[in-house]
Order: sequence, then C-alpha cells, then structure tokens
Amino acid sequence: ETGVTQSPTHLIKTRGQQVTLRCSSQSGHNTVSWYQQALGQGPQFIFQYYREEENGRGNFPPRFSGLQFPNYSSELNVNALELDDSALYLCASSLGQDNEQFFGPGTRLTVL
Amino acid sequence: GDSVTQMEGPVTLSEEAFLTINCTYTATGYPSLFWYVQYPGEGLQLLLKATKADDKGSNKGFEATYRKETTSFHLEKGSVQVSDSAVYFCALSDRRDDKIIFGKGTRLHILP
Repeated sequence: ETGVTQSPTHLIKTRGQQVTLRCSSQSGHNTVSWYQQALGQGPQFIFQYYREEENGRGNFPPRFSGLQFPNYSSELNVNALELDDSALYLCASSLGQDNEQFFGPGTRLTVL
Repeated sequence: GDSVTQMEGPVTLSEEAFLTINCTYTATGYPSLFWYVQYPGEGLQLLLKATKADDKGSNKGFEATYRKETTSFHLEKGSVQVSDSAVYFCALSDRRDDKIIFGKGTRLHILP
C-alpha cells in the first residue's frame, strides 16, 4: 500500500509568481486536506476536497485554490506569491470524512 | 474559535526520564483530541487519539487522557528513549467539520 506522496520536495519562487503543488492520496482514500506549516508553528488548515468538491476551507485568501481529480489526487495552487507564503505545505488523505488523516512528507516552498 | 495550547519547547531530557507535555484546548463542541509526532525529515504521524471524555489514548508507551473538566490532554511517557526525539503536536478536530486544529508543537530532545 502506497502512502501519501507529494511533489516537488522543495521549491523556490519569487514574489508575485504562481505555484502548483501536487499530492497523491493513499490508495483507496477519497478525501484530501491541505495544511500550511510555517517555521516553528503547527499546521494550519487550508481546505479539504471530498470526491472532487471543496468541502471546507480555513482562513486563507482566494489566491489559494485547489483541485481534486477523479483518481483523488489533488493540487494546491497559490497565485501572487507573498514572502509569508514560505512554509511547508502538507497534504493529508483519508477515507471519507471524520476518519484518520494520513500525512505526506510535505513540500517546502521558499518565496524570495 | 477552537484552539489548542501546548507547552513551549524545546524540552530536553535524559534517556529513561519521565515525560509530560502539557496541552489544553478550547472548543465549543465535543472535539476529538490527538497527539501527532513529526520525526526529523518525515511527515506527521498520528501517535494517539481520544474521541470522548475520560478516554485514554495510548501507543508506543505514550498515553494521554481526555479530561473535559480541565480541557486538557497531556502527553506522558514513563521512560523516554533517544528515538523519541521529535516534535510533538497536540490537536483537535471538531466533528462539525473535518479540519484539524494544531498547537504550535513541542520539540523534544532526549540525551543518551
């Protein structure tokens, strides 16, 4: 059974650019959640996708958007990057809602 | 809104010492409570959980009891090992939605 994978591992962008991060959910899981973890902080919930529909959103601006595909993999897109967007972005998958979320290793984004 | 507060680190202990990491929460509903662990270079892993008052979660020698009267979920281990060195996150999930709210994390160093 393959766990949650994320790509790329690391990414460096400049302010104003756009970025796409990818997540492959664990086999059989249909729900994906995204979190932002700033340095020295706990992860903060960005949004969740369940069966290709957004199913809850945290306190993040609209320039953070996402997609979930029919195979339940997911993308996180961030437009107009700001310096404060530098963080570790974590993806977690689960089987349905209200079930244990399994986390990927994360993508480290640096915005210069 | 819902929140989690945990003791600040780093916490440094000698091998075989007793560990307590304090965690308190604020929630309007009846949340599930979790401890996650993040080993160096790895993703977040669920360490233990409790879903209702007086439940005790346990795993790998770690324990935490859901105390509704004190809104606490302190993590304990009787004899720590060097391999327990990691960052520990207390977290909650309100069953009204599926997001997980994390504390800021406590870094634990165990000296041989």
